[in-house]
Amino acid sequence: AQSVTQLDSHVSVSEGTPVLLRCNYSSSYSPSLFWYVQHPNKGLQLLLKYTSAATLVKGINGFEAEFKKSETSFHLTKPSAHMSDAAEYFCVVSVGAQGSSNTGKLIFGQGTTLQVKP
Amino acid sequence: DSGVTQTPKHLITATGQRVTLRCSPRSGDLSVYWYQQSLDQGLQFLIQYYNGEERAKGNILERFSAQQFPDLHSELNLSSLELGDSALYFCASSPGEGNYGYTFGSGTRLTVV
Repeated sequence: AQSVTQLDSHVSVSEGTPVLLRCNYSSSYSPSLFWYVQHPNKGLQLLLKYTSAATLVKGINGFEAEFKKSETSFHLTKPSAHMSDAAEYFCVVSVGAQGSSNTGKLIFGQGTTLQVKP
Repeated sequence: DSGVTQTPKHLITATGQRVTLRCSPRSGDLSVYWYQQSLDQGLQFLIQYYNGEERAKGNILERFSAQQFPDLHSELNLSSLELGDSALYFCASSPGEGNYGYTFGSGTRLTVV
């Protein structure tokens, strides 16, 4: 069965310093993995997704994530944090085998709250 | 604007009541998904419809039901409401059955008092 574990419930960084949000996944198949962001009282916005192409995935707003099969990880990084990055971040895995009839069901991690200090 | 429209944005109702949440998918999308976001359970998949038919089911309570109409909009019906049903309910849509082109709506916040 597929699952994701976000290793930190809360991360605090200073503006201008690097961001690292950690995510480990479990999947019986080659997974589709995503990072979503949710700003306070807002909906869910897709940051980036991995679907078995390049292992280093670039997303919006300077974020990127690296798929490491040997470590079953999909950590999210950004070289320099901005105040507007403060939000809740979700690591997500898609249920279903690659190339098969995929239900599109997404399994969300518990979320990591990113705090950015001035 | 993501193209996925959810109404109403906010809903306050009493325990024991029934409510209907509505979702209009992005133009051209055939799949609609419903998710519940609560403080204790996080974001959980409820149900998926594809072109009018139920495609996948998650941890949806028996008191909850959904359907997708011929015009592809979907409704989530919540009945015999309990305090614990208070949550943010998201709808998402995608063109096909899988996760390509997934788009979320802005959600309906349900408060049960």
